[in-house]
Amino acid sequence: GQQLNQSPQSMFIQEGEDVSMNCTSSSIFNTWLWYKQDPGEGPVLLIALYKAGELTSNGRLTAQFGITRKDSFLNISASIPSDVGIYFCAGQRSGGSNYKLTFGKGTLLTVNP
Amino acid sequence: EAGVVQSPRYKIIEKKQPVAFWCNPISGHNTLYWYRQNLGQGPELLIRYENEEAVDDSQLPKDRFSAERLKGVDSTLKIQPAELGDSAVYLCASSLDNSAFFGQGTRLTVV
Repeated sequence: GQQLNQSPQSMFIQEGEDVSMNCTSSSIFNTWLWYKQDPGEGPVLLIALYKAGELTSNGRLTAQFGITRKDSFLNISASIPSDVGIYFCAGQRSGGSNYKLTFGKGTLLTVNP
Repeated sequence: EAGVVQSPRYKIIEKKQPVAFWCNPISGHNTLYWYRQNLGQGPELLIRYENEEAVDDSQLPKDRFSAERLKGVDSTLKIQPAELGDSAVYLCASSLDNSAFFGQGTRLTVV
């Protein structure tokens, strides 16, 4: 199935560093969502973006909905060990019966204490 | 408030056997999704329900997969017969608007 281009595929950072990851698509989305998935668990919603240009924060996390509606980024500031996990972006088109979430392949984040 | 509840958490079956997964969505969420997640990949949609109606099942392999959402609340996903390639995590999600919330998933291993 179709997937978004998410990068980087993996990141290794030191505790306290900031990290940035992004997703791009050839198609326009009306909603961008960012999830974190820990091993053996389902994805947990971090941030939802509903408007082009929207910048939203959730604690140390900040995400933006790109102006073109074809991209989004997620920043994590002052990383801590519990930030370790896989981060997924997901785009959604809405209207009619098409509410399918399309996921990126994920960014594996490792934080060295 | 309880989140999306799935059972079982793990299932190991032999190929050609049937298997069923159960999902209880967040109360009041009309939309329910079943996703499959292969190792190292993001989730991929299998089927989406609006209340009791399956409005998008284009990705569901209908020769062996079936799903139902009687009464528009709980849902069951079935595979019969299972194949080795069906080994994956099966995730259920529900939403009220555009934000989908996921359950913990069922990890299926077909041997």
